Amino acid sequence: EDKVVQSPLSLVVHEGDTVTLNCSYEVTNFRSLLWYKQEKKAPTFLFMLTSSGIEKKSGRLSSILDKKELFSILNITATQTGDSAVYLCAVRKGVTGGTSYGKLTFGQGTILTVHP
Amino acid sequence: ETGVTQSPTHLIKTRGQQVTLRCSSQSGHNTVSWYQQALGQGPQFIFQYYREEENGRGNFPPRFSGLQFPNYSSELNVNALELDDSALYLCASSFGTGTSPLHFGNGTRLTVT
Repeated sequence: EDKVVQSPLSLVVHEGDTVTLNCSYEVTNFRSLLWYKQEKKAPTFLFMLTSSGIEKKSGRLSSILDKKELFSILNITATQTGDSAVYLCAVRKGVTGGTSYGKLTFGQGTILTVHP
Repeated sequence: ETGVTQSPTHLIKTRGQQVTLRCSSQSGHNTVSWYQQALGQGPQFIFQYYREEENGRGNFPPRFSGLQFPNYSSELNVNALELDDSALYLCASSFGTGTSPLHFGNGTRLTVT
């Protein structure tokens, strides 16, 4: 069964700190790994990673994938109170048996709290 | 660009009743999928629709069913509601089924009493 495990489950930091969120996975026919930020309701897309070792960056956020060791990290530098949210990692399977199949399997999420 | 919109935002139903949730996909997107998110958990895949046909389903019983319409909007129907069906139901749309990221709506909070 496909599995995605995130750590830590929760994290409390102060503004200005740097945080690293971890995501490990076991999935057959891996296609991509996605990171989302969920503040109240809608998960908001952050990154999609398909290749090992290539860092994706957006402002203070960056992420990298290791397909050999089956994990990804999400880094947030100079954290702000607006970064407080649940960060979700998800993996997507590729085409199986001739049927395009884009199911995402999510981890439990990491709750990040940033204090002023 | 219009994002994914879902209705209603909140719903309270009694055990045994039936419910229909609605989703309008983001413009240009032809694939819709539905997820159930229990409190404190990550979203769980229910099913996916591509070109009006279901082309993937998670571990949910047949009383969870859906439709996709020619304009790519979608419905999720749940029959014989159970207390454990209380959750946030998220709709996501994308273009195609494998290479573009999913974009989520704000969800429908369903409470079953």
